[in-house]
Amino acid sequence: SQQGEEDPQALSIQEGENATMNCSYKTSINNLQWYRQNSGRGLVHLILIRSNEREKHSGRLRVTLDTSKKSSSLLITASRAADTASYFCATDARDDKIIFGKGTRLHILP
Amino acid sequence: DAGITQSPRHKVTETGTPVTLRCHQTENHRYMYWYRQDPGHGLRLIHYSYGVKDTDKGEVSDGYSVSRSKTEDFLLTLESATSSQTSVYFCAIRDRQDYEQYFGPGTRLTVT
Repeated sequence: SQQGEEDPQALSIQEGENATMNCSYKTSINNLQWYRQNSGRGLVHLILIRSNEREKHSGRLRVTLDTSKKSSSLLITASRAADTASYFCATDARDDKIIFGKGTRLHILP
Repeated sequence: DAGITQSPRHKVTETGTPVTLRCHQTENHRYMYWYRQDPGHGLRLIHYSYGVKDTDKGEVSDGYSVSRSKTEDFLLTLESATSSQTSVYFCAIRDRQDYEQYFGPGTRLTVT
């Protein structure tokens, strides 16, 4: 079974609004990563947060990690049309495997 | 993109035939991964490698085998392709533990 589960499965918001996606996982991890995939393309790494970190920022992205609840969130502020994509969380456990969730499809409305 | 390529990019094959997909990297990264992506399932790990000749199974390894005889190449073989293996296959590389992955462009495989 997959380690991470994103929520919601799909999200539509107006351009300029903030988008929040959540990820829950099952086992202990070294780090958690977020990736973006534009339609028909490969995945692009966005941000990595380690198990001893609680929050991390990168440009318009803000990621939080709560290891006690085994959950993470990705916030995209001031969304743009170019942010339309699927977003995946991936957990990096202590066994070299990197396991992905099913993803959240984000659609930014003009 | 990182120096990672996949070949072929598209393939149509018949049920029961063997198929080999190739992932090639020029980054000298230690770790290499094969995933498949299907609607409703996201990405699922098939096999991965943590060094030359060192491989291990992922979540959905049945029906697949891999080989890594040199650092730059990681081969995924479907010994006898089935329609359930119709999918988009992605290769990824990673330099070290606790680092991010870089993905190839994907191979779209159709088994008829």
